[in-house]
Amino acid sequence: KNQVEQSPQSLIILEGKNCTLQCNYTVSPFSNLRWYKQDTGRGPVSLTIMTFSENTKSNGRYTATLDADTKQSSLHITASQLSDSASYICVVSGWYNDYKLSFGAGTTVTVRA
Amino acid sequence: GAVVSQHPSRVICKSGTSVKIECRSLDFQATTMFWYRQFPKQSLMLMATSNEGSKATYEQGVEKDKFLINHASLTLSTLTVTSAHPEDSSFYICSASDGRANTGELFFGEGSRLTVL
Repeated sequence: KNQVEQSPQSLIILEGKNCTLQCNYTVSPFSNLRWYKQDTGRGPVSLTIMTFSENTKSNGRYTATLDADTKQSSLHITASQLSDSASYICVVSGWYNDYKLSFGAGTTVTVRA
Repeated sequence: GAVVSQHPSRVICKSGTSVKIECRSLDFQATTMFWYRQFPKQSLMLMATSNEGSKATYEQGVEKDKFLINHASLTLSTLTVTSAHPEDSSFYICSASDGRANTGELFFGEGSRLTVL
């Protein structure tokens, strides 16, 4: 069973609207959680990285939240643009000696005009 | 920000040949690099962890003799797909960390699309 679950699997929104993506994890002990944006056929690009003590972090129109108690994170996209169409991947790190990262399956966002 | 460069971005080869993909950290030293494989509409699947100066650690189910990894310097790791077959066709991505992998920033390459005919 994957230790990082993302929802929804995909969503379609109209340009200018907001949306929220969810990430639930079971990785423990927890080190940090990262959100990446991956355009089709490209490598992932970092949006945010949050440690245990951080509850929210913003990067432009992207705002990530973290609740380490409930092991949940969300990524909120404000005033979506066509360029936001991409896959958004949640990655969780635990305090493993082998530096293993746990990847979510991603949420595919399609922004339509 | 830090940049990780992958080369080539696209490669087409005949079945039975070997293909080498390079991953370079351009402005930082990376003691640990990671190699992933990604199928269409799926997330990244970790193949192996590449450690500078030592043998790579492969994930379960990944053939080490099939996917040779060499991390000869702090800025370069290579993945060689040996005796490639059509089922090896995929998108291969590397990543590198500028610190401890589970606490430092993690940068991804642009990916390499391999097509085996």
